[in-house]
Amino acid sequence: DVKVTQSSRYLVKRTGEKVFLECVQDMDHENMFWYRQDPGLGLRLIYFSYDVKMKEKGDIPEGYSVSREKKERFSLILESASTNQTSMYLCASSFNVQRGDYNEQFFGPGTRLTVL
Amino acid sequence: DAKTTQPPSMDCAEGRAANLPCNHSTISGNEYVYWYRQIHSQGPQYIIHGLKNNETNEMASLIITEDRKSSTLILPHATLRDTAVYYCIVRGATSGTYKYIFGTGTRLKVLA
Repeated sequence: DVKVTQSSRYLVKRTGEKVFLECVQDMDHENMFWYRQDPGLGLRLIYFSYDVKMKEKGDIPEGYSVSREKKERFSLILESASTNQTSMYLCASSFNVQRGDYNEQFFGPGTRLTVL
Repeated sequence: DAKTTQPPSMDCAEGRAANLPCNHSTISGNEYVYWYRQIHSQGPQYIIHGLKNNETNEMASLIITEDRKSSTLILPHATLRDTAVYYCIVRGATSGTYKYIFGTGTRLKVLA
């Protein structure tokens, strides 16, 4: 059974703290993604990675950074958390598009982050 | 990637077919239509995808118009467990960015 796991389901942090959100996939996928989801705005892409040590900005990268040192692990970092980063964060992974047209993204269960 | 337009909400009676429309008038020739759904408190889940032809799997059917400017996801016999937000996404098979653009989706409520 394919699996994307996220380190926490719920997280509460204080303004100014450094926050790490971890995502691990066991499907040998090349691509990994971080989204945030807010009411009325749907899912918005923060960053994605198509290979180890490679990263690309998504639509809303400001205030975030990422790290991909190993193929199976993709970390989202909030250098100095702010209240407007309170959100649901979703990680996903997929095969590279060159593997064919079937390019399903598999999602983790999400981390609900509250910044006080 | 092309943008999509979906109605914000729909209701469907249990046991009836749920037909969820999606407009993607700016779709280009090599872009696929993907459908995902998100049940409350879970990550989105893949349902089906297609390019030109109609597609069917164990979950749903996807009908794409001949001009490819719109599509319909059909859940043939909706159950209460199909209550979810359904996202229609268009993405290129050869896009270097490999990314989806999610809209706000259609909130489907299946009524007993």
